[in-house]
Amino acid sequence: TQLLEQSPQFLSIQEGENLTVYCNSSSVFSSLQWYRQEPGEGPVLLVTVVTGGEVKKLKRLTFQFGDARKDSSLHITAAQPGDTGLYLCAGVPRSGGSNYKLTFGKGTLLTVNP
Amino acid sequence: DAGITQSPRHKVTETGTPVTLRCHQTENHRYMYWYRQDPGHGLRLIHYSYGVKDTDKGEVSDGYSVSRSKTEDFLLTLESATSSQTSVYFCASFDRNTEAFFGQGTRLTVV
Repeated sequence: TQLLEQSPQFLSIQEGENLTVYCNSSSVFSSLQWYRQEPGEGPVLLVTVVTGGEVKKLKRLTFQFGDARKDSSLHITAAQPGDTGLYLCAGVPRSGGSNYKLTFGKGTLLTVNP
Repeated sequence: DAGITQSPRHKVTETGTPVTLRCHQTENHRYMYWYRQDPGHGLRLIHYSYGVKDTDKGEVSDGYSVSRSKTEDFLLTLESATSSQTSVYFCASFDRNTEAFFGQGTRLTVV
């Protein structure tokens, strides 16, 4: 059973469209992170959200942490081909104590067509 | 650039042989992780460490062991490699309120 469920798994859109990617869990998380990974490279951190209800913006990307700290979303406005990549959410379950077990969802593979 | 390196970057080995992958970080991070990445599975946690000599299992730990004798080094050993362990392996280091860094990955093929 996947602790973090991401949806959709695949997303193919045209340049200029908006999109939202979801990351859901039945567990409470101390924090959630979003990463972007390009082929042949390791994931690169985009943002960390730590407070329930928090909204963070990174240029055209908006990240939200659910009030109950069980879910998060990533919204991209006016997608560009350079946004193409694998988007991963990751979190540290609150029940894990101080061991900081960082677990990942399966990812959303985004393709933005010119 | 992130201060984390993995070695080797590519390796081909035979079934039944032991293999050790190395991860070295210069960020002085407390936490280090080994993941494997396979199509359709995202990143799955193999083992992680929350301090020198402190390690714990992840979700796919069978057939793998780890050691952390120094803050900067985290070793992953495949005790007797099998074809199902053909994968891309990523190491990461992390600390609270800091950015997590990933290595560039090790592509392991078991033939």
